[in-house]
Amino acid sequence: AQSVTQLDSHVSVSEGTPVLLRCNYSSSYSPSLFWYVQHPNKGLQLLLKYTSAATLVKGINGFEAEFKKSETSFHLTKPSAHMSDAAEYFCVVRALFPDRDDKIIFGKGTRLHILP
Amino acid sequence: EAGVTQFPSHSVIEKGQTVTLRCDPISGHDNLYWYRRVMGKEIKFLLHFVKESKQDESGMPNNRFLAERTGGTYSTLKVQPAELEDSGVYFCASSHPGLQETQYFGPGTRLLVL
Repeated sequence: AQSVTQLDSHVSVSEGTPVLLRCNYSSSYSPSLFWYVQHPNKGLQLLLKYTSAATLVKGINGFEAEFKKSETSFHLTKPSAHMSDAAEYFCVVRALFPDRDDKIIFGKGTRLHILP
Repeated sequence: EAGVTQFPSHSVIEKGQTVTLRCDPISGHDNLYWYRRVMGKEIKFLLHFVKESKQDESGMPNNRFLAERTGGTYSTLKVQPAELEDSGVYFCASSHPGLQETQYFGPGTRLLVL
């Protein structure tokens, strides 16, 4: 079975400081992992994805995430927060079942607040 | 390239009424998915179309929900009759053919059942 846990429902950081959004996953199979972002009244936008290639994945807008199998983590980071980063972020795990359609499992989301 | 579009953006209806949500996927995307986020909960899978065929509808909550994708283009999701617990945001996503292709999401339809 697959599951994903976003450890913080809300994170607040000051503009210009680093961002860390935490995500832990559980998967019976080799997972693909994603981070999506949703700005108010917008659709979910793909930030980055991991699909068993390089463990450090670079995404859009300066975000990156590192797949750590030993820790079953896929935390999202950014060196310097910008006001436009304020949004809700979703960690997503996806596994390909050998005999069924693949499933995509969402975390509950983390709201990122940027303080001026 | 136009993204995934959904209509309406918001809908407020009374319990017992019918509502139909529409999703237009990105052109050429055979895969179309419906998801729902009930307030305070995570986004959950409802069903998956490949072209006009339902590949997986294991996430559909009950038989008050009916999804169609006639012709393999746009899709509709009908809720009849709506109940209070159906309130939430309904997302649609589409992707290229293939199981591991990235899903592109629409902005969602916010449904409120009173």
